[in-house]
Amino acid sequence: QQQVKQSPQSLIVQKGGISIINCAYENTAFDYFPWYQQFPGKGPALLIAIRPDVSEKKEGRFTISFNKSAKQFSLHIMDSQPGDSATYFCAAVTGRRALTFGSGTRLQVQP
Amino acid sequence: EPEVTQTPSHQVTQMGQEVILRCVPISNHLYFYWYRQILGQKVEFLVSFYNNEISEKSEIFDDQFSVERPDGSNFTLKIRSTKLEDSAMYFCASKMTVGYSPLHFGNGTRLTVT
Repeated sequence: QQQVKQSPQSLIVQKGGISIINCAYENTAFDYFPWYQQFPGKGPALLIAIRPDVSEKKEGRFTISFNKSAKQFSLHIMDSQPGDSATYFCAAVTGRRALTFGSGTRLQVQP
Repeated sequence: EPEVTQTPSHQVTQMGQEVILRCVPISNHLYFYWYRQILGQKVEFLVSFYNNEISEKSEIFDDQFSVERPDGSNFTLKIRSTKLEDSAMYFCASKMTVGYSPLHFGNGTRLTVT
């Protein structure tokens, strides 16, 4: 029940396109949903996060959409750029517990 | 911008040997974590540490693992007798408060067990 399922495993998008990564969870106690971006040889870095009391959060080209009833959330990257090529992890947490990460999506944005 | 620093960046050890991975969390952070990432796989939680004691640990964190905050700045992960399957990237992370404050990761130590 602590799992977070992430899809797709890999994604290729043309420059300027929209990248969409999806995550689903089962534990209804999760109450914080961050997305992390990881470049090769680096640690994950927080990109954007959402609480379940809102359905959408936007920061620049990055948007999280959250569907509490379906227990799903997704990351949308608008106007995708080659510099966005990285691995993206969704995560979830409740209270004092540690983050549970999804399996990751390797995004490649082609110029 | 303050960052979490980890040393060494790469550690090669023989099976059965002890290794210590070192981390310097961000100075005003109170919560410390170790995660690991086997090549190409997900980031897995190992242990969290607060107020000089373990606050949560995963099934992976068995008796071969231990953590310590020996002074006011360092946070270490010790593996007593390494196994081949311990080969992974080990990430230290810290955050300021419990709950929803951002978790900051170091760049990791790549552990290779031969």
